[in-house]
Amino acid sequence: DVKVTQSSRYLVKRTGEKVFLECVQDMDHENMFWYRQDPGLGLRLIYFSYDVKMKEKGDIPEGYSVSREKKERFSLILESASTNQTSMYLCASIPGTVSYEQYFGPGTRLTVT
Amino acid sequence: GENVEQHPSTLSVQEGDSAVIKCTYSDSASNYFPWYKQELGKRPQLIIDIRSNVGEKKDQRIAVTLNKTAKHFSLHITETQPEDSAVYFCAAESGGGADGLTFGKGTHLIIQP
Repeated sequence: DVKVTQSSRYLVKRTGEKVFLECVQDMDHENMFWYRQDPGLGLRLIYFSYDVKMKEKGDIPEGYSVSREKKERFSLILESASTNQTSMYLCASIPGTVSYEQYFGPGTRLTVT
Repeated sequence: GENVEQHPSTLSVQEGDSAVIKCTYSDSASNYFPWYKQELGKRPQLIIDIRSNVGEKKDQRIAVTLNKTAKHFSLHITETQPEDSAVYFCAAESGGGADGLTFGKGTHLIIQP
């Protein structure tokens, strides 16, 4: 059973703080993704990664960066949090070969005040 | 980049009736089209997907149709049940499933008893 976990379910940060969101998957998946979900906007891709130390920009990368030092862990970094980054953040991973089903984590509800 | 439009944003049907959700996409290179279901407070889960070499796919009460010429695809749910109530997202992707998805904005399906 695939398990994708995220470091926090709820997070409250102040404007200007550096924020780290972590995602871990336990199935040796190659590809990992970060999305943000906002009401009426659906899910939007921020960044994704094919492999360790590899990263690709998604549709809305501005204000974010990522890190993938180990295959199982993909971190999303908000260098200087702003109120418009208040959102639900979802991590996902896929096997990349046998199946392309995206397995999502439970999400982190981030509030920036 | 890819743009996915999804309609309607809200759909209310009587239990036992059919529901149809429609999506259009802009990138003719897209070749993978999944549908995700998200129940309230839960993570999105894949319910069905289709690739561009297939025109239709069925799985019990759920079917997806794809018209590559017109660049649109639809989700059909027959004999709707209360547990079908959820938000449904269509998505498109041009890397065969390995890259990040571009999602529609979602359809809130309400099953009336």
